[in-house]
Amino acid sequence: SAVISQKPSRDICQRGTSLTIQCQVDSQVTMMFWYRQQPGQSLTLIATANQGSEATYESGFVIDKFPISRPNLTFSTLTVSNMSPEDSSIYLCSVIDRGNQPQHFGDGTRLSIL
Amino acid sequence: KQEVTQIPAALSVPEGENLVLNCSFTDSAIYNLQWFRQDPGKGLTSLLLIQSSQREQTSGRLNASLDKSSGRSTLYIAASQPGDSATYLCAVDRVVGNKLTFGGGTRVLVKP
Repeated sequence: SAVISQKPSRDICQRGTSLTIQCQVDSQVTMMFWYRQQPGQSLTLIATANQGSEATYESGFVIDKFPISRPNLTFSTLTVSNMSPEDSSIYLCSVIDRGNQPQHFGDGTRLSIL
Repeated sequence: KQEVTQIPAALSVPEGENLVLNCSFTDSAIYNLQWFRQDPGKGLTSLLLIQSSQREQTSGRLNASLDKSSGRSTLYIAASQPGDSATYLCAVDRVVGNKLTFGGGTRVLVKP
């Protein structure tokens, strides 16, 4: 299965700032996703990262707050903009190698907002 | 809207006992169901994927069953070991888009 690397693995940020999280895969994948795991909660899908076009956001998530890029089939970024303490979460990238296959996750980025 | 529930939320067993983890979902129109393991401070590790047309999948000591019509899946872990201590998550894949909806997880502790 694909090897997924996320950077940074953790960060502590000031309120009002923005942070960009990178997701790098060691092979080309058909689909890439971004999830959020709030403290003590399960995972919630933020958006599907589409190669060369705008991401597809789930209800409750907007592009201005979570801009996403996917310039090619192995790389994507998620930016958390104008952060507040409520954005303190783990953000995880996931991929599917090809259809009908398991979805695989990176180790996540642990983000704390002061 | 699909809702996924995992009961119990936490489970503690002595080493060697078999584990039974339950997952239920409200909408039977699923593409597949996936079981994951999450260790503290780590990402998710995929354990088993069951296609909607399948009834079960097995990998080593793990066996997962799927009853789509009743909206249920069960993960069995045979002869549990302390290394099996983790949070286990089930997730259902929507028919379109490969988008996963997760349950709340079951936190498992296997005591030596």
